[in-house]
Amino acid sequence: AQTVTQSQPEMSVQEAETVTLSCTYDTSENNYYLFWYKQPPSRQMILVIRQEAYKQQNATENRFSVNFQKAAKSFSLKISDSQLGDTAMYFCAFRGLPTDKLIFGTGTRLQVFP
Amino acid sequence: DVKVTQSSRYLVKRTGEKVFLECVQDMDHENMFWYRQDPGLGLRLIYFSYDVKMKEKGDIPEGYSVSREKKERFSLILESASTNQTSMYLCAILKRGQPQHFGDGTRLSIL
Repeated sequence: AQTVTQSQPEMSVQEAETVTLSCTYDTSENNYYLFWYKQPPSRQMILVIRQEAYKQQNATENRFSVNFQKAAKSFSLKISDSQLGDTAMYFCAFRGLPTDKLIFGTGTRLQVFP
Repeated sequence: DVKVTQSSRYLVKRTGEKVFLECVQDMDHENMFWYRQDPGLGLRLIYFSYDVKMKEKGDIPEGYSVSREKKERFSLILESASTNQTSMYLCAILKRGQPQHFGDGTRLSIL
């Protein structure tokens, strides 16, 4: 069975600095998707970024980028120029094919300080 | 924009009651999911559905059932609520090849 591990329960960063959230996963599949979701205090789960395993190029969305290391089964999220609005819970998630089920990590609570 | 509506933001019920949590989508998506979210455990899949009248168990289905009589509505049912079912419940929808979209969640307290 697939598992997703986020080893940092809480992190903090100062505004405008860069922070990296870690995620590792375990699977025997070769094709799959990886996601980072953000959940602010409003509770809405918001997709931050996604990566297809067959793509070697790391995904980037504005200030958010990933470091995808397929052999190491690692999928970290880098937030550049952190903003107060980035304060949230961040969840890493795995989705294999052809199933549409998401398997989530336990989350990392990120606090951005002014 | 994709819209996933959960009927209640907060709900308080008593032990032994039958509880219904409703999720409605407006995008004609086939796949719908129910998760529960607990501190330190992340999101865990309870049930999901690929189509009307179809359902499959997720990772933690015990104590729950679901109903999908119409494509746009997916209901989670607690047959006899217990205190260990106090949690945040999240509904999600999915169109094949796209990311999941989530509702705002229902915070359920069982007293």
